[in-house]
Amino acid sequence: AQKVTQAQTEISVVEKEDVTLDCVYETRDTTYYLFWYKQPPSGELVFLIRRNSFDEQNEISGRYSWNFQKSTSSFNFTITASQVVDSAVYFCALSEGSRDSNYQLIWGAGTKLIIKP
Amino acid sequence: DAEITQSPRHKITETGRQVTLACHQTWNHNNMFWYRQDLGHGLRLIHYSYGVQDTNKGEVSDGYSVSRSNTEDLPLTLESAASSQTSVYFCASSERTSSTDTQYFGPGTRLTVL
Repeated sequence: AQKVTQAQTEISVVEKEDVTLDCVYETRDTTYYLFWYKQPPSGELVFLIRRNSFDEQNEISGRYSWNFQKSTSSFNFTITASQVVDSAVYFCALSEGSRDSNYQLIWGAGTKLIIKP
Repeated sequence: DAEITQSPRHKITETGRQVTLACHQTWNHNNMFWYRQDLGHGLRLIHYSYGVQDTNKGEVSDGYSVSRSNTEDLPLTLESAASSQTSVYFCASSERTSSTDTQYFGPGTRLTVL
């Protein structure tokens, strides 16, 4: 069965520290897609990245980077030189590529990230 | 700019009343979704639609209904509101009938059932 685990319920760091949010997934499909979303205190859900199962290259976008490792079924998210504005709940999600998936996202429980000034 | 909107943003209602939450997207997306978000449960899928006149039940569909009469709108109706339906509701849309497509979310509606 498909599943997404974000084992870190809450992380607190001081501004400018680097922080990594873990995401471990389970799926039997060979084709699947992984996502990260950010939910700031204002409540909206903001899309950050989508990665398909055939592309294991790491992605960097400014201070954000993602490490996708199929061998460990992980899709971890690192924020470099964290800022107070990065404080949010971050969700990892999985979408399977088979028709049976019904295009649904399987969500992790989220990690609350607190950046202290 | 294309967007997805929800209304109202906040709603307080009483047990037993019918409530409709609106979702409108201007991206011309085929797929639309309704989720509820509760502490300890993350995001749970209520209903979804792949196009006009198509609706499907999600994980927690009991007590909810949707209809899709056009591409832009997917209203969510609580037939007889219950206190257990107090939650934050999110609408989302995605472009094509493919699991690769990213879901984009509306701002959410906070519903309180007294």
